[in-house]
Amino acid sequence: EAGVTQFPSHSVIEKGQTVTLRCDPISGHDNLYWYRRVMGKEIKFLLHFVKESKQDESGMPNNRFLAERTGGTYSTLKVQPAELEDSGVYFCASSQEGGRYNSPLHFGNGTRLTVT
Amino acid sequence: TQLLEQSPQFLSIQEGENLTVYCNSSSVFSSLQWYRQEPGEGPVLLVTVVTGGEVKKLKRLTFQFGDARKDSSLHITAAQPGDTGLYLCAGARGGADGLTFGKGTHLIIQP
Repeated sequence: EAGVTQFPSHSVIEKGQTVTLRCDPISGHDNLYWYRRVMGKEIKFLLHFVKESKQDESGMPNNRFLAERTGGTYSTLKVQPAELEDSGVYFCASSQEGGRYNSPLHFGNGTRLTVT
Repeated sequence: TQLLEQSPQFLSIQEGENLTVYCNSSSVFSSLQWYRQEPGEGPVLLVTVVTGGEVKKLKRLTFQFGDARKDSSLHITAAQPGDTGLYLCAGARGGADGLTFGKGTHLIIQP
């Protein structure tokens, strides 16, 4: 089966611009998560979708970040306007069943975002 | 304040040696996972431990969850160059959907 795919793999934008990251989870996976790793820090949770519904968005840094998962398939994470501190690697992960981590979490290769 | 402390941060040893990396916290976790990450890729799940005191083995890797479910260790026997990578521990806590990650241990096994 195809794994979690993320696009683009790299993005370099200027401060104030908008960027949209996309994640395609493994087909049939209801749970979709976004995580972020800022340089020198640990990977941090951003939010969790169950199908098209936001289950937990407590990790979203501020209202410049907007995540959507229309139709419960792929998800997008938009940053508008981007700031320097938004630079980092954004990971998407998906899992099959409900229940916290009852089924394995599969990560994508991440999108490396650089804001200059 | 970091919830999960991993040690050591960096470890470089010779092929054939044994090693242990640690993941410590003052918080209790309902389960703990270990991942391995290669450059340019996402973390790949190695194991999940759920019960306090649980020990799981994956070939030459032995994972242990502390009795109080606050800490964990990963022991590698007779390390191989193919074990080189970033090892991450991540804990799940009640009431929270997201995993709490440690910063990771960068492991290099020299031939």
